[in-house]
This record gives sequence, structure tokens and C-alpha cells, in this order.
Amino acid sequence: AQSVAQPEDQVNVAEGNPLTVKCTYSVSGNPYLFWYVQYPNRGLQFLLKYITGDNLVKGSYGFEAEFNKSQTSFHLKKPSALVSDSALYFCAVRAIYGQNFVFGPGTRLSVLP
Amino acid sequence: DVKVTQSSRYLVKRTGEKVFLECVQDMDHENMFWYRQDPGLGLRLIYFSYDVKMKEKGDIPEGYSVSREKKERFSLILESASTNQTSMYLCASLLAAGYEQYFGPGTRLTVT
Repeated sequence: AQSVAQPEDQVNVAEGNPLTVKCTYSVSGNPYLFWYVQYPNRGLQFLLKYITGDNLVKGSYGFEAEFNKSQTSFHLKKPSALVSDSALYFCAVRAIYGQNFVFGPGTRLSVLP
Repeated sequence: DVKVTQSSRYLVKRTGEKVFLECVQDMDHENMFWYRQDPGLGLRLIYFSYDVKMKEKGDIPEGYSVSREKKERFSLILESASTNQTSMYLCASLLAAGYEQYFGPGTRLTVT
């Protein structure tokens, strides 16, 4: 069975500092991995995905994520946080031979000015 | 750009009412999904559909049904709304040959 863990409910970071939002997953076989962001009272917006190839993937708004197969992790990172990055972030996994996605519980990121 | 729209942003219904939530996508995607989102639980899959008139139960289908009569439209039906169905409902679509889902803006449903 697929599962996703986001060990931190809340992450606080000062504006201009680097940020990391953690994600670990469990899936049979090779995974597709995703990060989505949700602003208040909105749907989820796609940020980035890992499908195959380079373990470091770059996405929207300066975000990037690193796929680590041995640690089954896919942490989201940004070198310099902005106040406007404050939102709810979801990690998701999908098995290669399937259409179903499993989402983590979400991590609320607060960037303090 | 893919656009997924949902019929209402906010909805208030009474216990026992029949509730229809509609979702429309404009990119000819084969797959469509309904999730509910609750704090601390992330997104939980209610139903999904991989083709017209086809549907599969997700993780929490009890109390819900769905309809997909046209490729672009996927409806979620609460046959008899209950207070524990108060939640945010999110619709998503996915191209069969694609990777990421595209989400609608969500419907915040309150059942009183």
C-alpha cells in the first residue's frame, strides 16, 4: 500500500532564509512524486514532480526537491523564502502503474517577515 | 492551461438534503477524481472515474455516489447529507498519458 508522511505539521522560517519541507513515502516499485501548494480557500496548485532521471527537480516559484531513493524521501526546498510562500504544502505519491495518488497530511509553512 | 471548475465555492445545506457537486474540465482528460480535505488528514479519495460512465470507489465512498455522463463533467452526489460530511471537496483531472493532477478551486460544504 502507498503512504506519504510529512513529519512536520508546521514549519516556521524567517524571510530570506532557506526552507525545507520534509516528505517520506512508501510505494511498491518506482514512484512518481509530486508537490502541491494550497493558498487559503483555494484548490491545490502543482509545484513540481519527479518522474525519472536527475534526482534534483526544479519547479515553480523557485522551489526544488530532491529525490532520495535510499531514504525514500522527496524534500521540498527553496534557497530564500518569501512571505508570499506562506501556505499549505502537500506531498503526493503515485505508483508508476496506476492512476491513484496518495497525499500526505500537509505541512503549513509560515514565512515571517 | 487546463481549467477545472466547480459549481460552487461555498454551499450550506441541511441534514438529509440531497446535494450535488459538479466539476467540469476543459482539456479532454480521461480521469477525474473527487477528494475531501479535512485538517490533519490531507486529501482522501472518495471516487474516481477513468472514462465516461465508469467509476471506481476510493478510500471513503460511504455516503457518496458519482455520475459521469460526459467526459468533461464529473458529479459528486450526497444522497442524504449529514453533519460529518461538512468538509472541503476538491475535484481533479488527469490526462491518461500524463503525470500530475489538475485541481479545481474547491467547494466548502457546510451541513447543518
